[in-house]
Amino acid sequence: DVKVTQSSRYLVKRTGEKVFLECVQDMDHENMFWYRQDPGLGLRLIYFSYDVKMKEKGDIPEGYSVSREKKERFSLILESASTNQTSMYLCASSPKPRPGEDSPLHFGNGTRLTVT
Amino acid sequence: GNSVTQMEGPVTLSEEAFLTINCTYTATGYPSLFWYVQYPGEGLQLLLKATKADDKGSNKGFEATYRKETTSFHLEKGSVQVSDSAVYFCFRGSTLGRLYFGRGTQLTVWP
Repeated sequence: DVKVTQSSRYLVKRTGEKVFLECVQDMDHENMFWYRQDPGLGLRLIYFSYDVKMKEKGDIPEGYSVSREKKERFSLILESASTNQTSMYLCASSPKPRPGEDSPLHFGNGTRLTVT
Repeated sequence: GNSVTQMEGPVTLSEEAFLTINCTYTATGYPSLFWYVQYPGEGLQLLLKATKADDKGSNKGFEATYRKETTSFHLEKGSVQVSDSAVYFCFRGSTLGRLYFGRGTQLTVWP
């Protein structure tokens, strides 16, 4: 089974702090994603990566950056945390799609971040 | 454009009732379609998928059929259990490896 591991289940940070959320997958997947999940808004894509050192902006990249120095690890960085970044953060990975078929996402258990 | 429209919840049912959660999509091609489930306090898990028209995905008593003519992928279960209480998400894929999804439907099943 694919395992996507997020380093923390719960985090509490102060406004203005720099925050690192780490995600590691063990199946050699090319694609990795960061989402945030908020009540009533569903899942929103922050950033994604198709390969090492590659990154693409998702739908809500403002206030975030990412790093993918190794294939198995995809880090989400909050440069200066703000209260509106309090949310559940979900990391996911997927392999390169096979011809004629899209790959499913494999999710971690999430990190609930509270910014006070 | 590319989008997924999912039935809004919450949905509340008694045990052994029939469940339908509607999902329709827009796409320029024929994307793969997925249903995911999120149990309280956990991440999302793949429930079932279908990769082409008329495919039926099934798992744990849940089924969904890829209907190209109606661009739909409705989730059904004949007899729900309390343990099915969760949030259900409809996803569709894209050729760029990115998935588009609905906002989720909260299902609560009462004994």
